[in-house]
Amino acid sequence: KAGVTQTPRYLIKTRGQQVTLSCSPISGHRSVSWYQQTPGQGLQFLFEYFSETQRNKGNFPGRFSGRQFSNSRSEMNVSTLELGDSALYLCASSLGTRGETQYFGPGTRLLVL
Amino acid sequence: AQKVTQAQTEISVVEKEDVTLDCVYETRDTTYYLFWYKQPPSGELVFLIRRNSFDEQNEISGRYSWNFQKSTSSFNFTITASQVVDSAVYFCAIEEADSWGKLQFGAGTQVVVTP
Repeated sequence: KAGVTQTPRYLIKTRGQQVTLSCSPISGHRSVSWYQQTPGQGLQFLFEYFSETQRNKGNFPGRFSGRQFSNSRSEMNVSTLELGDSALYLCASSLGTRGETQYFGPGTRLLVL
Repeated sequence: AQKVTQAQTEISVVEKEDVTLDCVYETRDTTYYLFWYKQPPSGELVFLIRRNSFDEQNEISGRYSWNFQKSTSSFNFTITASQVVDSAVYFCAIEEADSWGKLQFGAGTQVVVTP
């Protein structure tokens, strides 16, 4: 099976812009979770989607949003970018039941100038 | 409060030495799941092991083994006979019962294996 894929792999944006990141889960996986990784805060949970519904959300401002499509692919959007949004954004997919192993994609490195 | 504590920031070993990574977690749930992931320089998190809170059996899988002790809320991970390819950051994580899809990670331990 193909693994989790994320596009684009690298992005450079300027403050105030918005960005959309995409994640394609492993075939058959219905859950997609998103994480932000920074040197200062480490790995932090953004949100999780299952069957097009957001089931869980982390402590991030409303500028961070996401959605999931009927084919389980997911997108996350960050509006009005700030310098502090520079990070590695990782998505992970799983079958979606409690405690299932999450398999991660290669990540999108976002640099905000 | 930090749910997962990895007190070791960096561990340096010479190839073929064993490496033990410490992980202490905090939860009020009786049902939870613990994980170890590895992050090589490429950045992708690679799944290593998973245990649920009802299974304290410790196992060995190849060069990896783990020691899960609920009494001390610890989930330690050992790499036996380390290799240069084991150099990476290792993360311990917990998923609590009602926290759908939310892994809470420790700060990670950098493992450096030199030839």
